[in-house]
Amino acid sequence: GNSVTQMEGPVTLSEEAFLTINCTYTATGYPSLFWYVQYPGEGLQLLLKATKADDKGSNKGFEATYRKETTSFHLEKGSVQVSDSAVYFCALGDSGAGSYQLTFGKGTKLSVIP
Amino acid sequence: DGGITQSPKYLFRKEGQNVTLSCEQNLNHDAMYWYRQDPGQGLRLIYYSQIVNDFQKGDIAEGYSVSREKKESFPLTVTSAQKNPTAFYLCASSPRPGVVEKLFFGSGTQLSVL
Repeated sequence: GNSVTQMEGPVTLSEEAFLTINCTYTATGYPSLFWYVQYPGEGLQLLLKATKADDKGSNKGFEATYRKETTSFHLEKGSVQVSDSAVYFCALGDSGAGSYQLTFGKGTKLSVIP
Repeated sequence: DGGITQSPKYLFRKEGQNVTLSCEQNLNHDAMYWYRQDPGQGLRLIYYSQIVNDFQKGDIAEGYSVSREKKESFPLTVTSAQKNPTAFYLCASSPRPGVVEKLFFGSGTQLSVL
């Protein structure tokens, strides 16, 4: 079955530091990959996505590249801000295999301090 | 503005009581989903509905029930059979079944046991 493993948190960084949150996956088909962000007390918002190998998703300074050879989709940002403090979820969707759901990682809590 | 509305934001359940969480969307989406989120865990799928008057069990359906009488509405009932209901519940929708690339989330309901 499908699964997503992401680095455990919490992660605490100083403002303007470089961020990497690791995500690896196992899938039977050819999944699309996603990063979602959840701010305190809110639902999830799509941050970025990639639908095929070597695609790079990007949004708000965040980037992630779909690496089929390493089955990874690591999230990066060059300079984090206090407003980036949130929980980040890596997820995969395998519509091609007839699945109608996303498979989520456990989430990584990021705290950015001034 | 189109979106997904979940209510209430906070809900308390007494022992042996059934409670119903509301989810309404005005996005004209066919598919709707209910996820459960526990601290430090990813999201787990409870139920999903691909079309009106149809729904399927997800990974953790025991102790829950749903209905889909209208396209806009997908209420979730947490029954007394659910022995550990304390969690954050998220409703989501997508334009069509399997279009996981366009999944929209509500802001969630926090359910606690008194």
